Amino acid sequence: AQRVTQPEKLLSVFKGAPVELKCNYSYSGSPELFWYVQYSRQRLQLLLRHISRESIKGFTADLNKGETSFHLKKPFAQEEDSAMYYCALSEETSGSRLTFGEGTQLTVNP
Amino acid sequence: EAGVTQFPSHSVIEKGQTVTLRCDPISGHDNLYWYRRVMGKEIKFLLHFVKESKQDESGMPNNRFLAERTGGTYSTLKVQPAELEDSGVYFCASSQGVGTGNYGETQYFGPGTRLLVL
Repeated sequence: AQRVTQPEKLLSVFKGAPVELKCNYSYSGSPELFWYVQYSRQRLQLLLRHISRESIKGFTADLNKGETSFHLKKPFAQEEDSAMYYCALSEETSGSRLTFGEGTQLTVNP
Repeated sequence: EAGVTQFPSHSVIEKGQTVTLRCDPISGHDNLYWYRRVMGKEIKFLLHFVKESKQDESGMPNNRFLAERTGGTYSTLKVQPAELEDSGVYFCASSQGVGTGNYGETQYFGPGTRLLVL
């Protein structure tokens, strides 16, 4: 079965510092990878998806099939980036349901 | 355009009671999903509707959970009888989809219902 691992439950950085939120997955097929974000008192929302190859709010994520990773990166963190970040996967044989990691709580300190 | 809505936002019940959660998807979205996050754990898939049909209910934990989507619009998730381990946040999501839903499609989440079973 597919699995998504986010090794860090908590991550704290200072404003302006680079940030990387790690995500590893186990699945042998061709998954679709996502990063979802939940800001304080807001609903879960899509941040970016690998197939779009876009940068949202300065964040990027590259799918590395060799390392089965989809780490989320931002070169200069901002205080408003503080939120809960979830890596998620969907794969063709199980329809469109999402498999989530446990999430990483990012805090960006002033 | 209104997003996915869920009712109630919070529910506190005693073990053995019944609770019904409601989800209204974005208008026109054929796909509706239920997920839940038990404290300290990851968000887990429960089931997936395509219109009024259950496409995938492999994540439903047991037969105390019953989900319906009559008419292919809103959905309800009933827990009867509730147990302590059912406590958590129940999320609903919807996506537009074509037919059985596209893997890789963006899902839009509701604010969740916080359920506490005492």
